[in-house]
Amino acid sequence: EPEVTQTPSHQVTQMGQEVILRCVPISNHLYFYWYRQILGQKVEFLVSFYNNEISEKSEIFDDQFSVERPDGSNFTLKIRSTKLEDSAMYFCASSVSRGGNLNEQFFGPGTRLTVL
Amino acid sequence: ILNVEQSPQSLHVQEGDSTNFTCSFPSSNFYALHWYRWETAKSPEALFVMTLNGDEKKKGRISATLNTKEGYSYLYIKGSQPEDSATYLCAPILTGGGNKLTFGTGTQLKVEL
Repeated sequence: EPEVTQTPSHQVTQMGQEVILRCVPISNHLYFYWYRQILGQKVEFLVSFYNNEISEKSEIFDDQFSVERPDGSNFTLKIRSTKLEDSAMYFCASSVSRGGNLNEQFFGPGTRLTVL
Repeated sequence: ILNVEQSPQSLHVQEGDSTNFTCSFPSSNFYALHWYRWETAKSPEALFVMTLNGDEKKKGRISATLNTKEGYSYLYIKGSQPEDSATYLCAPILTGGGNKLTFGTGTQLKVEL
């Protein structure tokens, strides 16, 4: 069964460093998302991406964050200068069509980011 | 900000028990509700998407009902098994809310032998 994959599973970085989290969505999906969960808190939406541009973003997704689909398969989240409060589990998700909110979003296993 | 409440926060039941938990959300501008199941160290997995008031969905021993007028959904598990142990998340979507899922805090279910 097709699945969303994410690498790395765990990333440790120093405050102020740039990190890139990588995702390979399901191949025929058109919508892509990033969510995160800070330990003990809710899973929060960060950004959605469709047709090579951001379709929606949350207040969390400030200028330090960016997303890219550099080729036909990868979807990346970049944090330019990490802060301690960026430590969280980051989930990538994809969905099949622009029917959007009635379509199941398929989640990857997550990347645990630890900022020291 | 979309306020989504789930209760209880956690639940311990014995194998074979039936259980249910609640998701509450704003009833105005309702569009759809997603239920997800999230096992530790795995990806969240979609269970149901519900849209109509009075809707009931079923997958094996798990079922869900929806009341859009009063803004709640119940998830039921009949004859709980240890493999049902997971966190169950709901995510309502409002009209004009885009594609994003706004999750509740989840109900953490532990089924003991």
